[in-house]
This record gives sequence, structure tokens and C-alpha cells, in this order.
Amino acid sequence: GAGVSQTPSNKVTEKGKYVELRCDPISGHTALYWYRQSLGQGPEFLIYFQGTGAADDSGLPNDRFFAVRPEGSVSTLKIQRTERGDSAVYLCASSRGLAEYNEQFFGPGTRLTVL
Amino acid sequence: KNQVEQSPQSLIILEGKNCTLQCNYTVSPFSNLRWYKQDTGRGPVSLTIMTFSENTKSNGRYTATLDADTKQSSLHITASQLSDSASYICVVSARGSQGNLIFGKGTKLSVKP
Repeated sequence: GAGVSQTPSNKVTEKGKYVELRCDPISGHTALYWYRQSLGQGPEFLIYFQGTGAADDSGLPNDRFFAVRPEGSVSTLKIQRTERGDSAVYLCASSRGLAEYNEQFFGPGTRLTVL
Repeated sequence: KNQVEQSPQSLIILEGKNCTLQCNYTVSPFSNLRWYKQDTGRGPVSLTIMTFSENTKSNGRYTATLDADTKQSSLHITASQLSDSASYICVVSARGSQGNLIFGKGTKLSVKP
């Protein structure tokens, strides 16, 4: 596609529920990143995929968070037993290779609200 | 601890005026520094990227500078336009980080007519 897309754009859920957030990267980009951005803050790294494997998941806050990229393209971020503190904008970005050397292209984000 | 600090937190200027945003970082070993523009409700968009050996880079009315010795960067916006209203985020990458970028909190710029 022309850019990184994310669905849904907004998600409202109740505390304790399970949610899935989807990211479609730019075609051909091997690297995919998930970030979380709280109001008034910069994005915080969550997890990075190179191809199908999670190369670095050190930013995931706890074991309620999990992400997959089974075919090396689309990725899903999964949050179990959501808590109010999980409310944030979840950003996805992709790049041709390692983002250390390549430009990252960001999606518009999914705004998650946990009531 | 690797950190990126930006100032000011917010800034209001009149259309047509210039402004300069500041970024200080403690990331080591340094790989590169980027400035992003983030419009409200959108993802960040890259403006410039500079490596250790580069001390200035321009993108239209945006000019970024880098002093790797003092670990400081600035983003200068010339002849501001209403569409420049956004958050400007300084992002630093550590060498070998594979892309675990470290983001500042951003400077929220408002350009008024």
C-alpha cells in the first residue's frame, strides 16, 4: 500500500477485556515496530520485528502484551485483561531494514480507551 | 540512562516568524538523530536525519543542526506557516540498537495568524 495503515483507528473497551490492534506495513518493508504514546509524551518502544520474528520485545510492559507477525507482513498487537493504564495511542512503523539506519514510516495510530 | 530532553515544552509564534526548538540527549554510543513532525491525531513524519559527521541538514524551511560533542541539536523553522502547527519530536538512535529509537516528549508549536 501507499503507507502504513492501522485498524481500528479508535477502540473503546472495558477493563478486563481482550483487544487486538492491527498494522499493515508498507509493502516490502522487513522491519516493523510498535510504539505506545501517552498524552503529551513521545512514543515509547514496545517491540520490533525483523521478518516474522520478534527481534526485540524489551519494551513490552508485562505479559499481558503480545504481538505477532506470522507471515512477515501484517502484525497484530494483542492486549489481554486490559487496564485503564493501557489507554494510549498505539503506533506502528515500518522500515526497509533496521530503523537505526533507515527511515521509519509511521501509521496514524490506534487510539485505545479502556473504561 | 539514555534520554532525550526537548525545550521548550510548548511555543506560540505568529505566522511568518522564525523559531528554534532545542534537543539535548545523553544517548551513547550515538548513531543518528532525527526530527519528526507530528500533526494532531497522526503518526510522526520524518523531517531530517543526521549522523555523527553531519552538523546541519535542511528540508525546505526546516534546518536541523547537530553538535555531537555537546550532544545538542536544534530545529530552526523559517517563515512559519499555519500548517507548521504540530508537535516536533527529537529522536536519537544508539549504535547497535537495531532501531529501538529513543524519543523526546516533543515541543508543541502553535502558529497563530
